[in-house]
Amino acid sequence: QKEVEQNSGPLSVPEGAIASLNCTYSDRGSQSFFWYRQYSGKSPELIMFIYSNGDKEDGRFTAQLNKASQYVSLLIRDSQPSDSATYLCAVNRLTGGGNKLTFGTGTQLKVEL
Amino acid sequence: DGGITQSPKYLFRKEGQNVTLSCEQNLNHDAMYWYRQDPGQGLRLIYYSQIVNDFQKGDIAEGYSVSREKKESFPLTVTSAQKNPTAFYLCASSISTDTEAFFGQGTRLTVV
Repeated sequence: QKEVEQNSGPLSVPEGAIASLNCTYSDRGSQSFFWYRQYSGKSPELIMFIYSNGDKEDGRFTAQLNKASQYVSLLIRDSQPSDSATYLCAVNRLTGGGNKLTFGTGTQLKVEL
Repeated sequence: DGGITQSPKYLFRKEGQNVTLSCEQNLNHDAMYWYRQDPGQGLRLIYYSQIVNDFQKGDIAEGYSVSREKKESFPLTVTSAQKNPTAFYLCASSISTDTEAFFGQGTRLTVV
């Protein structure tokens, strides 16, 4: 079982719709959770982080965390063509060597006009 | 400007040669990371460091080496033992290992 799993997509949504991106993780001891956006050929940029169960909103973005189900999601409201990118979920967990930040393979999002 | 600087942006290496990728940050971050990204794949952790003079192997450390002699610097050496070194290499840093990480612009390494 992979430590962090995401559907590779592509996920296609029409402009103005809500895009829902999902991520599951295997280690119940994971402590902090991050969403990054990566445009083709560029480095990842941080969108949001979430540490506690529930929802966290920032502009058009909402991160949702459910530790019991080991599930974290990212909602993008009013999707724009500029949101077309790969979205990476990252999970931080404590190991013998310290905190380890592990990424999923990413979900490609396409926002269509 | 504060940030994370990776150099060079593009690097070509002949088979059998070692090469060192530079990563410097002036954010006063304690933690630093090296990841590798191949086409269609996510980021795979090579090495990480929680604090100066300390580092840990990630998931794919074989064929790589690092040092952390200064807080602001975390160079990665790709050795000739790395069988498939062609990839996009990303360096990141964070205040501590349980907070959000920020990335440099990456180095594209090609073996010719």
